[in-house]
Amino acid sequence: DAGVIQSPRHEVTEMGQEVTLRCKPISGHNSLFWYRQTMMRGLELLIYFNNNVPIDDSGMPEDRFSAKMPNASFSTLKIQPSEPRDSAVYFCASSLAHPTDTQYFGPGTRLTVL
Amino acid sequence: GESVGLHLPTLSVQEGDNSIINCAYSNSASDYFIWYKQESGKGPQFIIDIRSNMDKRQGQRVTVLLNKTVKHLSLQIAATQPGDSAVYFCAEKRGAAGNKLTFGGGTRVLVKP
Repeated sequence: DAGVIQSPRHEVTEMGQEVTLRCKPISGHNSLFWYRQTMMRGLELLIYFNNNVPIDDSGMPEDRFSAKMPNASFSTLKIQPSEPRDSAVYFCASSLAHPTDTQYFGPGTRLTVL
Repeated sequence: GESVGLHLPTLSVQEGDNSIINCAYSNSASDYFIWYKQESGKGPQFIIDIRSNMDKRQGQRVTVLLNKTVKHLSLQIAATQPGDSAVYFCAEKRGAAGNKLTFGGGTRVLVKP
């Protein structure tokens, strides 16, 4: 079984550039989550979707961040323009919709903004 | 604001010994708790969960204890192995928060051979 797939695994970009992170959830899962992990702030939920609809985006840091889920098998997290403080590991996770269903995490995208 | 064990202590344990990892949470409305393991360069991996109507749950070599009175959660790993070296996170959900997980800061476990 393929788990959550994220691409790219590593991204290095310059300040001001647009960055797009991609996620393919586990087939059949209808909840998708984007997290950011840094040493300073730990693991933070940015946004999550149920059935492709954004439910809670209160963790999205600012308007430079946006996330979409055009269909059940694909989601993107975009940062435009990127800043050095956006450097982090970004994880995507998916689960079934029930609150006690396990969230399965992807391998993450390590983003470095110079 | 609300927090779940926001610190990153390190636990050094001898191979074969038992490990106990602790987590404090502050929201008494939390009704579901999960432990995740994160190895270097990987995403968090589910270990075990427990609902608030339970105080103990056992898995393979792992036991989670929940003390709602003092808002404390612990993970016990029996006969710790080198492969258990990782960062361990507790996380909570509140029923009213839907699927939203709040993670603690994590504990690093180092297993000495």
